[in-house]
Amino acid sequence: DTAVSQTPKYLVTQMGNDKSIKCEQNLGHDTMYWYKQDSKKFLKIMFSYNNKELIINETVPNRFSPKSPDKAHLNLHINSLELGDSAVYFCASSLDRAAYGYTFGSGTRLTVV
Amino acid sequence: GEDVEQSLFLSVREGDSSVINCTYTDSSSTYLYWYKQEPGAGLQLLTYIFSNMDMKQDQRLTVLLNKKDKHLSLRIADTQTGDSAIYFCAEDTGGGNKLTFGTGTQLKVEL
Repeated sequence: DTAVSQTPKYLVTQMGNDKSIKCEQNLGHDTMYWYKQDSKKFLKIMFSYNNKELIINETVPNRFSPKSPDKAHLNLHINSLELGDSAVYFCASSLDRAAYGYTFGSGTRLTVV
Repeated sequence: GEDVEQSLFLSVREGDSSVINCTYTDSSSTYLYWYKQEPGAGLQLLTYIFSNMDMKQDQRLTVLLNKKDKHLSLRIADTQTGDSAIYFCAEDTGGGNKLTFGTGTQLKVEL
C-alpha cells in the first residue's frame, strides 16, 4: 500500500526517558514534515526536510532532533521527555513544496507519565 | 501573525447542509485546503482551491473563497453521520514551504 507509515502508534513512557518515532513514505515525495497536535487539536509544524536537508525548524526545544537518512524516512528522536511533550505527533509528506498538499501518517500518541 | 481561525463546534441534523468557516492570514497563499480528521486517525485531504478562484465544487463539497476578506468556507450538502469529524482549513505559508492549519471545527451530525 502506498502511504505514510509511522511507528509506534502508541508510546507510553516515563519522564526523563529518550524515545524515537519513525516515519516512512513510499509515495516518492521529496519533502517530509513533523507536526505536533496538542490536546485541543491544534496542529503546529515542528520540522520539515526536503531531500534530506532541513528546511524548517520551528522553535522546537533542542531535546527534539529529527533525522532523515534518506528522502523516504524522517525519524524524530526526543531526549529527556517531559510531561508537556504528551501529544499526538504526525508525520506528513508532500511531492515537493507544501503547496501540493500533504499526505499524513496516522499519528503517534505519546504519553509521558 | 499566522493564526488561522475557525469556530470550534458545529452541530447539524442528518440531511441538512453544513457550513464550516475559516479566516486565514497569509494573502500570498497559493492554495487553501480542507482536511478531515476522524477519531484516532491522521488528516485526510478533502479538497483544495487555487487562490485565484472564487468557488470550487466537488460532489457534495463546495468551497467558497473571499480573498478580499481572507475568508474560506466549506459547505457539505446532505450531511451524513459519516461526516462527523474535525475539519481543518489550511493555507500554504512560509513561501510555500509549509501548511499552517486552522484551529479545527468539530462537526457533529445528529439523527
